[in-house]
Amino acid sequence: AQKITQTQPGMFVQEKEAVTLDCTYDTSDPSYGLFWYKQPSSGEMIFLIYQGSYDQQNATEGRYSLNFQKARKSANLVISASQLGDSAMYFCAMREGRGGGYQKVTFGTGTKLQVIP
Amino acid sequence: AAGVIQSPRHLIKEKRETATLKCYPIPRHDTVYWYQQGPGQDPQFLISFYEKMQSDKGSIPDRFSAQQFSDYHSELNMSSLELGDSALYFCASSLRLVSGTSMGNEQFFGPGTRLTVL
Repeated sequence: AQKITQTQPGMFVQEKEAVTLDCTYDTSDPSYGLFWYKQPSSGEMIFLIYQGSYDQQNATEGRYSLNFQKARKSANLVISASQLGDSAMYFCAMREGRGGGYQKVTFGTGTKLQVIP
Repeated sequence: AAGVIQSPRHLIKEKRETATLKCYPIPRHDTVYWYQQGPGQDPQFLISFYEKMQSDKGSIPDRFSAQQFSDYHSELNMSSLELGDSALYFCASSLRLVSGTSMGNEQFFGPGTRLTVL
């Protein structure tokens, strides 16, 4: 079974609009973390936002917020006020860990976001 | 701020050759991870090291080996290269993960090494 599922292979959004990128996950580990990374066409992997399984509040980082619904096992990324520079591939990832050095991260298949002027 | 350094950035090899990729983590980071991202694919976890010891292993082929040195830099050694090894290889570093805290949650990725096997 897929640990991380991103059902939207591609999305378009108008500049200045908000967009939600979907991510659902599957784990039986009570301690886990969820990440979103942005990968522009240049190839580098840019960390955007993190949500821990025990965090009570949804994570926010500037224009990025994570809509964390633990019971539904979803961790959707919301980008507000989209900019042309937001056009990129977005990966949702999950860390299942027990602490110490154990920190394997599994990535979803990604969503390609295109921002239209 | 200092970031993760990977070298070389680009590498071209022929089948059956060997390659060594290097990763220099962010200063004070003690955990290093290697990922392989094939064309149009998501990154796949290969292996990780914490305090110079292997901490977790993913889908790393037996032809590949890696280690972390006393200065925390890591090297990924790849032998008997195959065409299918052509990919972007990322190294990431983090602090040690501590349960119940936010420490170590974020992995910082390097720019990647693009390996092409001809």
